[in-house]
Amino acid sequence: EDQVTQSPEALRLQEGESSSLNCSYTVSGLRGLFWYRQDPGKGPEFLFTLYSAGEEKEKERLKATLTKKESFLHITAPKPEDSATYLCAVQATNAGKSTFGDGTTLTVKP
Amino acid sequence: ETGVTQSPTHLIKTRGQQVTLRCSSQSGHNTVSWYQQALGQGPQFIFQYYREEENGRGNFPPRFSGLQFPNYSSELNVNALELDDSALYLCASSLGRGRQETQYFGPGTRLLVL
Repeated sequence: EDQVTQSPEALRLQEGESSSLNCSYTVSGLRGLFWYRQDPGKGPEFLFTLYSAGEEKEKERLKATLTKKESFLHITAPKPEDSATYLCAVQATNAGKSTFGDGTTLTVKP
Repeated sequence: ETGVTQSPTHLIKTRGQQVTLRCSSQSGHNTVSWYQQALGQGPQFIFQYYREEENGRGNFPPRFSGLQFPNYSSELNVNALELDDSALYLCASSLGRGRQETQYFGPGTRLLVL
């Protein structure tokens, strides 16, 4: 069974203090790994899709990387508006569903 | 380009009742997936529809059922509601059966069962 574990559960940063969020996964053949941002009471907002180990994607202050066992979401010089829950999900090659982790809740203080 | 929309936004029901939630997929997408998200947890896969046929189901009982229509919009029906069904129900659309399987989510329907 596909599994996704995210750490830490919660992360508090000062504005400008860079850090990384971790997503460890096991999947029977990876079709894609996805990162989403979710604000309270709203649906997840798509950030990145990674397909193979070594791949990297960047968007503004966010950079996602992928290895065969885990993915990292690096946040450089975060701002208060980056505060949200960040979800990681994997999709197996033989399934259309995505398996999600429980997310990391990021709080950035000014 | 129109994004994924869901209705209603909020709903309150009592135990034992039935509910229907609706989803309009993003323009050009032919696959719709439904997820249940309890507070503080990640979304859990309920089922997926591809071109009007069920294309996978998660560990949810048969009282959770669905439909997809020719225009690729979808419904989620839940019968005999239980207190534990209280959650945020998310619909996601994608262009299925290809490498690009990124799912785009709607805003969700918040269901409260009393």
